[in-house]
Amino acid sequence: AQSVTQLGSHVSVSEGALVLLRCNYSSSVPPYLFWYVQYPNQGLQLLLKYTTGATLVKGINGFEAEFKKSETSFHLTKPSAHMSDAAEYFCAVLNSGYSTLTFGKGTMLLVSP
Amino acid sequence: EAGVTQFPSHSVIEKGQTVTLRCDPISGHDNLYWYRRVMGKEIKFLLHFVKESKQDESGMPNNRFLAERTGGTYSTLKVQPAELEDSGVYFCASSQELNSEQFFGPGTRLTVL
Repeated sequence: AQSVTQLGSHVSVSEGALVLLRCNYSSSVPPYLFWYVQYPNQGLQLLLKYTTGATLVKGINGFEAEFKKSETSFHLTKPSAHMSDAAEYFCAVLNSGYSTLTFGKGTMLLVSP
Repeated sequence: EAGVTQFPSHSVIEKGQTVTLRCDPISGHDNLYWYRRVMGKEIKFLLHFVKESKQDESGMPNNRFLAERTGGTYSTLKVQPAELEDSGVYFCASSQELNSEQFFGPGTRLTVL
């Protein structure tokens, strides 16, 4: 069965600093990986996804993530944090039946001026 | 194009009462999913419809939960009778294809007192 581990329930950065949110997964098959973001009082919004091909994936709002098979990781980064990035971020893996998602516990990103 | 909508946004009920949550997927999306996030835990899969058929209901916690999708359009999730541990945020998502992006609704926050 697939599982997802997000290191750190809260991450605090200053505006303009690098954002790094960690995600490790376990999967018995080549994974499809996702990062979702949830802004206050809104639904989950897809930031980016990895299915096949290029291991460095670019998403919306300047975020990107790199799939590293040897490390079973899919960390999310952004070079320079903005106040509007403050939200909760979820890493997820698509299950082997290609239907349902398994999520990590989420990481709340706090951005200070 | 309208996104996934959920009603109500919040529901507060007493233990033992019945609550029905509704989800309207994006028009034309055959796949509809229900997920739940209990406070402090990860978002967990409940069940998956393909059109009006239940494709996978392995995540349903017990027989107090009943999901329907009559006519393959909107879906309802009924909890009867509600227990304290049912409190959480219930998310609905829809997708066009099995392994394509799942679009999430804003969720229904259920509080059972």
